This record gives sequence, C-alpha cells and structure tokens, in this order.
Amino acid sequence: KAGVTQTPRYLIKTRGQQVTLSCSPISGHRSVSWYQQTPGQGLQFLFEYFSETQRNKGNFPGRFSGRQFSNSRSEMNVSTLELGDSALYLCASSTGLAGGLGTDTQYFGPGTRLTVL
Amino acid sequence: AQSVTQLGSHVSVSEGALVLLRCNYSSSVPPYLFWYVQYPNQGLQLLLKYTSAATLVKGINGFEAEFKKSETSFHLTKPSAHMSDAAEYFCAVSEGGYSTLTFGKGTMLLVSP
Repeated sequence: KAGVTQTPRYLIKTRGQQVTLSCSPISGHRSVSWYQQTPGQGLQFLFEYFSETQRNKGNFPGRFSGRQFSNSRSEMNVSTLELGDSALYLCASSTGLAGGLGTDTQYFGPGTRLTVL
Repeated sequence: AQSVTQLGSHVSVSEGALVLLRCNYSSSVPPYLFWYVQYPNQGLQLLLKYTSAATLVKGINGFEAEFKKSETSFHLTKPSAHMSDAAEYFCAVSEGGYSTLTFGKGTMLLVSP
C-alpha cells in the first residue's frame, strides 16, 4: 500500500500571502489530521477531518483552515501568512473506524516544509 | 488537561549500549500512550502504543515501554542500540476515543560507534 503523500514538499512564501497544502491518505483511510511542527513549540495538532467533516480542532487562529474531499484527500490553507507560520506541516491518516485519534494508529506523511520570508 | 514531559532533549549512547528515553505524563483519566520516531526529513512512525492492556508493551525494532501508573511514566527502552536508531523520539498521550494526542517536545537519540 502506498503511504501518506504530501505535496509540495517545500514551499517558500512571503508574509501576507496564502498557501494551500495537499495530503493524500492511505487508501481506505477516512480520517486525516494535520499537525504543525516547529523547534520552539514542537508538534501541535491543527485539525482532523473524517468523512469530509471536521471532527476535531486544535487551538490555532482562523487563518488556518482545511477541508476534506469525498475521496478522503485533504487540503490545508493558511491565509495572510506570518513569519511564525514557518514550520513543517505534517499530515497523518488513520482508518477512523477503531475509535478516534485517541486510540487509532496514525500514519504520517513526510511533511511540507513551509518557509515564510 | 493532558501533558507530556520528555526528560532530556538529547540522549547520547554508544552502539550496543542500553537505550532509555524518559516520558512522564499527566492525564485526568486513564491514558493512552504512544511512542513515535522521526528520522530526518521524514514523518513520524509509530513504535508502540499502550491502550490499557498489558503494562509492558513491545514495539517495532526491538523497542519496548512499560506503563507505570504510580510513577505516571512510560519510558522507552532498547537493550542494545544500533546506529540506525539515531533519530528523534516523541512520546504522546491521549484520553482515548475521539480526544486528540498531545506530544512531548521530543528527545534526539545520538548513537556513536
């Protein structure tokens, strides 16, 4: 089975711009979660989508949004980029059927490295 | 609220030596606990997870962890380190079900020949 794929792998943007990141989950997985990883804050949960509905949300401003399509692929959008948004953005998928994120095994993609100048 | 503390941002061992990575958690309910590993330029990979069954959990690549409720700990061990074990390791806690995971800050494991 192919793993979780994320595109693009690297992005450079300037402050004020917006960006869209894409994630394709493992075939058959219906839950997709997004995480932000920075040296200072570590790994922080952004949100989770299950069957096109947002099921969980972390403590991030409204500039961070996401969606999930009927084929379970997910996109994450960040508007009005700030320097502090520079990070590795990780996507993870799970079946979503054996309970929720609290018990499911999540499979992570390699991430998208976003640099904001 | 749940939280995780990983003691030591860096741990150095020699090849063949015991690996011990420390994790302490805080949770208001019986926790679910996870250890993930991240190799350079890669995402996270699950090593093992505790879901209230056996307190000693065996994972991949020879790693294991023991849940100790009285010490609120879930330390990760491996009897003999390999060079390929050099990576960053993350401990995570959840309250199960539809709760989310809270990750520790990570511990970088360095293995010298």
